[in-house]
Amino acid sequence: AQRVTQPEKLLSVFKGAPVELKCNYSYSGSPELFWYVQYSRQRLQLLLRHISRESIKGFTADLNKGETSFHLKKPFAQEEDSAMYYCALFPATGANNLFFGTGTRLTVIP
Amino acid sequence: DAGVTQSPTHLIKTRGQQVTLRCSPISGHKSVSWYQQVLGQGPQFIFQYYEKEERGRGNFPDRFSARQFPNYSSELNVNALLLGDSALYLCASTKWENTEAFFGQGTRLTVV
Repeated sequence: AQRVTQPEKLLSVFKGAPVELKCNYSYSGSPELFWYVQYSRQRLQLLLRHISRESIKGFTADLNKGETSFHLKKPFAQEEDSAMYYCALFPATGANNLFFGTGTRLTVIP
Repeated sequence: DAGVTQSPTHLIKTRGQQVTLRCSPISGHKSVSWYQQVLGQGPQFIFQYYEKEERGRGNFPDRFSARQFPNYSSELNVNALLLGDSALYLCASTKWENTEAFFGQGTRLTVV
């Protein structure tokens, strides 16, 4: 069965400091991995997906199949990065839905 | 360009009642999925509809049902409401079955 684990419920960093939000997954095949973000009073929106290999708002995430991880990183945190971040998995076969982690609330301290 | 729209935004119901939540997908999107998000948890999949057919169902009791209309809008129905059904219900639409999901603002359901 597929599972997404985000070990940190809360994460606080100072502005300008590097930030890493951890995501580990369990799945026997080759899933598609996503990071979704929810800013205050806004809807859940896609931040990035591993297949696009893009850097969005300075964030990057590398899929490590050996460690089954998809950690989200940014070298210099900004105050506007404060939000709720969800890691999600889309199975390669079978279910046509996203499996979400429990989320990490990131607070960037000025 | 309107995104995914959900109605109502907030709802208070009594235990045992029934509720209907509505979702309009982005124009051109034929797939709609429903998720339940309990406080402190990530969204959990309930249903997916594609071209008006149910394509997936999560681990929810039969009290939960849904349908998709010819215009691709969708309704989620929950019967015999329990206190534990209190949650944010999210609707997501995709253009095809396996691509980026766009979420609505959600309907906050409170069961008292």
